[in-house]
Amino acid sequence: ETGVTQSPTHLIKTRGQQVTLRCSSQSGHNTVSWYQQALGQGPQFIFQYYREEENGRGNFPPRFSGLQFPNYSSELNVNALELDDSALYLCASSLAGFGNEQFFGPGTRLTVL
Amino acid sequence: SQQGEEDPQALSIQEGENATMNCSYKTSINNLQWYRQNSGRGLVHLILIRSNEREKHSGRLRVTLDTSKKSSSLLITASRAADTASYFCATNKGGSYIPTFGRGTSLIVHP
Repeated sequence: ETGVTQSPTHLIKTRGQQVTLRCSSQSGHNTVSWYQQALGQGPQFIFQYYREEENGRGNFPPRFSGLQFPNYSSELNVNALELDDSALYLCASSLAGFGNEQFFGPGTRLTVL
Repeated sequence: SQQGEEDPQALSIQEGENATMNCSYKTSINNLQWYRQNSGRGLVHLILIRSNEREKHSGRLRVTLDTSKKSSSLLITASRAADTASYFCATNKGGSYIPTFGRGTSLIVHP
């Protein structure tokens, strides 16, 4: 088990709603990355936060947004939910730096009806 | 788009046998990482191999990297039922810190 925790574990929303997912990073880690993993697929990079600033973004629309707090915990917000947003959302913490090992949380399973 | 692609998509073996999974990628990389995922849970980092390395070992795991063929393999020796999981490769392309994952290989080890 890593020291990365995510909440909630499961979530069911309806199309058009908004959702906030939370992640607490492993102690000492100042970088958090978020991934979306659809069923049967590999994780897709959403964005990364380093010292409370967005540090890189994948191919996701602006309705996917995030925050990182001074204690390095993080939130992922998704507005105007669509059915295709149903997925496992993973956060991973790491030390800043190129190619450092990422420690993943258990994920939040989001279902959009 | 997927940078790394694992092969085979699924692998079923008996306990005690070796399991080999392959990963191919398209562009030059700085490093390649292998991860394991149990049943829709979080990923566990297994091994990172840098582009200037050819082979790394960790316990029963052996990873090779052939940059000329843009491919990597993960060998699990003397497999156990507990090795049943999905295995993903992730590459960091040159100049990027963003890891790009493949679709994974689903390994089933029968007791």
